Amino acid sequence: DIQMTQSPTSLSASVGDRVTITCRASQSISVHLNWYQQKPGTAPNLLIYAASTLQSGVPSRFSGSGSGTDFTLTISSLQPEDFATYYCQQNYNTPPEWTFGQGTKVEIK
Amino acid sequence: EVQLVESGGGLVQPGGSLRLSCAASGFTFSSYWMTWVRQAPGKGLEWVANIRQDGSEKFFVDSVKGRFTISRDNARNSLSLQMNSLRAEDTALYYCARVWVGHCSGNDCYRALDFWGQGTMVTVSS
Repeated sequence: DIQMTQSPTSLSASVGDRVTITCRASQSISVHLNWYQQKPGTAPNLLIYAASTLQSGVPSRFSGSGSGTDFTLTISSLQPEDFATYYCQQNYNTPPEWTFGQGTKVEIK
Repeated sequence: EVQLVESGGGLVQPGGSLRLSCAASGFTFSSYWMTWVRQAPGKGLEWVANIRQDGSEKFFVDSVKGRFTISRDNARNSLSLQMNSLRAEDTALYYCARVWVGHCSGNDCYRALDFWGQGTMVTVSS
C-alpha cells in the first residue's frame, strides 16, 4: 500500500506569509497527486490535481509542484480565508485504492 | 449545478448494519466513477470505496473489505454504501464524492474528487 506523509502536521502563519506544505509518498506516484482544502464543518475542496494543475476557480496564490515521491503545496501570500486544513491524496494505484495524507492545519499566528 | 446529498446515517450498535445513500443531480451520473470517503471526529480523511460507472468494478480500503458493499443505481442517480458488522472505529462522517478525470496523457489519466456532498454521520456505539 502507498502511504502518504505530510509535514508539518500544523503550522502558524500570518496574513501575507508564504506557506509551504510537503507531502511524501512511500513509492513513486508520478504526478498522481491532488491537494484539497477543508474548512471546519465543510466538505473538502479540490485545489490542485496532477500535482501542479490548478482547479478552475482556485486563486493563483495556490501552486503545486513535485513528482515521484516528493510534492509541495505553496500559498504565496496567505489570506484570511486560507486558514484551513490541507490534505494531499494519491490516486496512482491500479486498481484504484487511494490514500490521503494525515493533513496539515494552517492556523493564525 | 452539481449536487450530492448523503442520507442514512445514525446511531447503531456494534455489529449492526446501516445503509447510506447519496443522491446525485446536475450531471450525467452514469458517466462517472463515484467514491465514499470518511472522516472520524477530529481526524483526517480516509478513502473507503470506489465504484466504476457501470458498477462492474468496486474497490475498498482493507479495513472495510468483507463488511462494506458499494453499489449504484444509474437510473435513479443514486449511490449506496451498505455497512455491515459495524465497529466503533467506523464512527465517522461519510462523504460521497464524484471522481473527475482532469485530463489524460496517453493512457495515463489524472483523477480527482471534484464535488463532494455535505456528509452523513455514522456513530457506532452501545
